[in-house]
Amino acid sequence: EVQLVESGGGLVKPGGSLRLSCAASGFAFSSYGMTWVRQAPGKGLEWVSSISGESAYIYYADSVKGRFTISRDNAKSSLYLQMNSLRVEDTAVYFCARALRYCINGVCNHWFDPWGQGTLVTVSS
Amino acid sequence: SSELTQDPAVSVALGQTVRITCQGDSLTKYYASWYQQKPGQAPVLVIYGENNRPSGIPDRFSGSSSGNTASLTIAGAQAEDEADYYCNSRDSSGNQMVFGGGTKLTVL
Repeated sequence: EVQLVESGGGLVKPGGSLRLSCAASGFAFSSYGMTWVRQAPGKGLEWVSSISGESAYIYYADSVKGRFTISRDNAKSSLYLQMNSLRVEDTAVYFCARALRYCINGVCNHWFDPWGQGTLVTVSS
Repeated sequence: SSELTQDPAVSVALGQTVRITCQGDSLTKYYASWYQQKPGQAPVLVIYGENNRPSGIPDRFSGSSSGNTASLTIAGAQAEDEADYYCNSRDSSGNQMVFGGGTKLTVL
């Protein structure tokens, strides 16, 4: 069974740092891209960052660029999100998800499946 | 602001058909994927690519696309389909992913 389990969330003050982890099992982790998606309380989903299987390609949303760093350790089947200079507006449940894609004629479509249960990050003084 | 636009709320009578739409310029080039999220739960993929359902997703769920609009259709909506639905695709630049604002589906 494919499973993703996030950890590392908690309460942090504005300007602080936090590192999220996502432990993967049930699939060949290094063969898949991975992604982080967040959801502020009562709000919709927001894509945060994605990383390819061998970390060659990394992308960030403009809202976190320069503050967050995505990484992975394929030997440990783990995905990470280092979050620095945290702001109140970063408060959200953070989900990790496996990223799949299909390319045809140079156009690549992506989707996320499955998702972890999420970990709550609260940024407050 | 989102580059993918969804109606905030849609309702459907039990057993009837409902279409949830997602509009955006990037959809003229990329397919949307669709996610169902029930309260307190993680999102679940229901449609990806041209019109593909993951294992375990009922065949009453289908997807389509025309121009800059992607659609998720539920034929014969059930009470358990009541949830928030989000579309997702690449943005206009192709370098980032973006979600629509979500549609809250109520089954009457």
